[in-house]
Formats: sequence, structure tokens, C-alpha cells
Amino acid sequence: DVKVTQSSRYLVKRTGEKVFLECVQDMDHENMFWYRQDPGLGLRLIYFSYDVKMKEKGDIPEGYSVSREKKERFSLILESASTNQTSMYLCASSLWASGGASYEQYFGPGTRLTVT
Amino acid sequence: SQKIEQNSEALNIQEGKTATLTCNYTNYSPAYLQWYRQDPGRGPVFLLLIRENEKEKRKERLKVTFDTTLKQSLFHITASQPADSATYLCALVMNTGFQKLVFGTGTRLLVSP
Repeated sequence: DVKVTQSSRYLVKRTGEKVFLECVQDMDHENMFWYRQDPGLGLRLIYFSYDVKMKEKGDIPEGYSVSREKKERFSLILESASTNQTSMYLCASSLWASGGASYEQYFGPGTRLTVT
Repeated sequence: SQKIEQNSEALNIQEGKTATLTCNYTNYSPAYLQWYRQDPGRGPVFLLLIRENEKEKRKERLKVTFDTTLKQSLFHITASQPADSATYLCALVMNTGFQKLVFGTGTRLLVSP
């Protein structure tokens, strides 16, 4: 079974702190994604990566950065946490699809981040 | 930009009945449409994928239809059980190179015994 793990289930940080969220997948997937999930807004894509050291902005990248130094690990960084970044953060991975196929995404359990 | 609409109100049904959830989208037709299940405090779990040239897909008690004319997908759970209670998300894959998903906000299903 594919396993996607996230470093913390719950995290409380203060405004202005630098926050690191780690995600690790064990199935050699090329693609990795970071989402945030808020009530009424659904899942929104922050950043994604299709290869080591490659990254692409999603729909809401402002205030975030990412790092992918190894294939299995994708980190989300909040440079200076703000209260509006309080949310559930979900990491996902998927195979690189070729020939028109589209592979499902496998999600981690999520990190509920509270910024006070 | 692509907009996806799922009924935000919870759907309450009795055990044994068929649950039908709706996903409507605007603008461009997606290459694929996926359905996920999400339990409270957990990440979504993939259930089914349907391609734009497919009308219907089945997997055990699950059935998905895809109508590109109506810009709508229906998700059916037959013989529903209390264990089917969860939030169901639809997600569209646009015909892009990176297979990004655009998610709906989900519909909560409650199956009572």
C-alpha cells in the first residue's frame, strides 16, 4: 500500500514564526502536492512538484515556499506564519501519468496548523 | 477558471437506499473526473476515475456517470450502509501536462440504520 506520512498531526505556532511541514511518500511517486483545506473552500493547491528540485505554483502560493531535495520528501515552508494560514494542510503524491492516463492521488493524514 | 459545484448540504438517507451525489462544473470539460472519500480528520481516499469518453463506470456498489453535455457527474452508492457515511469529493483533471486536480468542496453523506 502507498503510504504518505506527514510530520505532525497538530501544530500550534505563533505569528511570524517560520514553519516547516514535512511529507514523505514510500512508493517512488514522481508527483507530490501540497494543499490546504478550509471549510466551504475545499482543497486548494498551494504548490506541486513533478521531480526532484522542480516545483510549480498552484492556485494559492503566496506566503508559502517548498523544497524537494529527495524524491520521497516534499516540504512546505511558511516563511512568516500568519493567522490566515490556520488550516488543515494535506500532502499528496501520484505517479507521473503517461499516454493520457491519469493516476489517482494518495493523501497523507493532514496537519492541522493553528497560528496564534 | 474552472468552477466545481457540489451540494454543500448534507445528504441524509436510510440504510439500504441508493445515495446519489452530484458534481457540476463550468467552463472547460475535464479530461478525467475522479471521486474521493474523506472521513473526518483524514486525507481523501481515491474511489473511482471516469474519462471524458466514458459514460459510466462501476466498482462494486459504486457507480459514476459523466455527462459532458450537461457538465455533470453523478456518483451513486447502492445498498448504502452506515459505514458509507463520509464526505465525498469530486475532482477534475484538466488536460494539462501536470495532472493537477481541481476539487469540489464535497458533499457529506449520512446513512442512518
